[in-house]
Amino acid sequence: DAKTTQPPSMDCAEGRAANLPCNHSTISGNEYVYWYRQIHSQGPQYIIHGLKNNETNEMASLIITEDRKSSTLILPHATLRDTAVYYCIVRETTSGSRLTFGEGTQLTVNP
Amino acid sequence: DAGVTQSPTHLIKTRGQQVTLRCSPKSGHDTVSWYQQALGQGPQFIFQYYEEEERQRGNFPDRFSGHQFPNYSSELNVNALLLGDSALYLCASSLAGLSNQPQHFGDGTRLSIL
Repeated sequence: DAKTTQPPSMDCAEGRAANLPCNHSTISGNEYVYWYRQIHSQGPQYIIHGLKNNETNEMASLIITEDRKSSTLILPHATLRDTAVYYCIVRETTSGSRLTFGEGTQLTVNP
Repeated sequence: DAGVTQSPTHLIKTRGQQVTLRCSPKSGHDTVSWYQQALGQGPQFIFQYYEEEERQRGNFPDRFSGHQFPNYSSELNVNALLLGDSALYLCASSLAGLSNQPQHFGDGTRLSIL
């Protein structure tokens, strides 16, 4: 699986957009970009994933660059409950393929 | 719609003992994966079960073994426990055959080795 690089920590003001970057320069054509987050003492929570196109759901938006070497997760209106570790993962499209977690980004939303 | 459930939530063992952790997948899912998460680190893949067989395995010793039952629930067994086995053990479930379906996680079992 391709390796991802994320900043170790970020801060965001409550109500503002949180933009979390991820570099995956060695991504191959058969790999998706997945985002999970983990709130303290809970299991990882699936947020969103994409292959080439930008994606949006009720939780977040995922912007993938045209060359697919980086992506940005956008939380449009961050709340205190969004404080968590956010993991960017590159995963093969093969059914059942494992998730390879890195260190993630600790996002702290401040009041 | 029940999500992934794991039991117990916390467990304390001593070195050399054996432990069994349990996982019930999300309704409709047939594949179970296990992960180990040490303090301050991201989860690490242990192995995956589908159709009651181990399909994939990460870089973990044979002391770690598992089982999947006909109802898709799963167990993780660890023998000869070491202090370094202290971690949060996470179970994730998914539906086989669909390449881009996310895995859904339970809240884990916190295992402490004394």
